[in-house]
Amino acid sequence: LAKTTQPISMDSYEGQEVNITCSHNNIATNDYITWYQQFPSQGPRFIIQGYKTKVTNEVASLFIPADRKSSTLSLPRVSLSDTAVYYCLVGEADKLIFGTGTRLQVFP
Amino acid sequence: EPEVTQTPSHQVTQMGQEVILRCVPISNHLYFYWYRQILGQKVEFLVSFYNNEISEKSEIFDDQFSVERPDGSNFTLKIRSTKLEDSAMYFCASNNGAGVSEQFFGPGTRLTVL
Repeated sequence: LAKTTQPISMDSYEGQEVNITCSHNNIATNDYITWYQQFPSQGPRFIIQGYKTKVTNEVASLFIPADRKSSTLSLPRVSLSDTAVYYCLVGEADKLIFGTGTRLQVFP
Repeated sequence: EPEVTQTPSHQVTQMGQEVILRCVPISNHLYFYWYRQILGQKVEFLVSFYNNEISEKSEIFDDQFSVERPDGSNFTLKIRSTKLEDSAMYFCASNNGAGVSEQFFGPGTRLTVL
């Protein structure tokens, strides 16, 4: 399983764009990159998934360079309600292996 | 929007007692999972379940744990003899296909073992 490394925490202000980068140097050819969000005392929630290049949905964008050894989750114009822990996952789809995630704090 | 539900939201038990945590996955989903999260720590995979049998389990999922789909809607996690270290949030999740990373998580059951 590919090990992921992400910053422990990040701070931002409302209205700013937030980019969270995840390193996964030993990603396998078949691995997808998936991001989850978790609010306190709630279950994780799927945000976005990609394999290469760029993926965008109504919530976020995911940028993956050609070597796929890292990925960047981009949250446009964050609000207070985006304060949460964000997890980058790489590997088996059936068994999600969570790391410690990035704790994003959004300030007014 | 369909969602995974879990009951109870909070369970308090004495060490050595058996507990059953209940989950109702999304109705057309075929794959079911249990995870746990000890307070302040990361989410840990316990077990996956498909076609009425365990697909994969982690080292945490020892003989004290069992899962069951007793009917067409419920999915349960049983801990036979709880230990203090079993205190955690337990999350049920489901999805509708093999190889699909998007799992839908329930709100969790907070288990407190005294």
